[in-house]
Amino acid sequence: EAQVTQNPRYLITVTGKKLTVTCSQNMNHEYMSWYRQDPGLGLRQIYYSMNVEVTDKGDVPEGYKVSRKEKRNFPLILESPSPNQTSLYFCASSLSAALGEQFFGPGTRLTVL
Amino acid sequence: GIQVEQSPPDLILQEGANSTLRCNFSDSVNNLQWFHQNPWGQLINLFYIPSGTKQNGRLSATTVATERYSLLYISSSQTTDSGVYFCAVGGYGQNFVFGPGTRLSVLP
Repeated sequence: EAQVTQNPRYLITVTGKKLTVTCSQNMNHEYMSWYRQDPGLGLRQIYYSMNVEVTDKGDVPEGYKVSRKEKRNFPLILESPSPNQTSLYFCASSLSAALGEQFFGPGTRLTVL
Repeated sequence: GIQVEQSPPDLILQEGANSTLRCNFSDSVNNLQWFHQNPWGQLINLFYIPSGTKQNGRLSATTVATERYSLLYISSSQTTDSGVYFCAVGGYGQNFVFGPGTRLSVLP
């Protein structure tokens, strides 16, 4: 089944404790991206990757890191999480940045205390 | 960047009613999608529709790219249609941008 998977689905952590949210797709898509969703602010793009080893900042990259060492995986890293990073996070993938339907993962609900 | 507006922001319907949701965007796009976010937070792909008309059961969508808008039609609404409907667009060299959403409540 074609899908985007994220782990964990739910996470409660404390300020400053490094964490990684994994994202994997099985559709051989070149383009992958991360979004966060906050009440009143909608969905905003954090980082995106056009292909392996190619990443770039989205609209709200501060406090996040990403890497794209393999085509199928695009982990989101929070080196020192803070309470303002409490949010619902989505990973997405598509054939390319310019073309093709975007497929979204199930979301990761993160709470930073 | 591209600006996306959606209307109405909120919509309350009785079960069985029909509705039309609108998405306006500020620039040429080559990607337009409609999503339904269910009460559990999951984003469900409804339509990939950069232009033209598509139908899937009780839902249909039309995008008029030259006039920079898209419409989502929901017929014979059901309580399971409740949630937030997002339009999202992307263009060459531009990020994929979401609209603010339309919150739909279907009452039994």
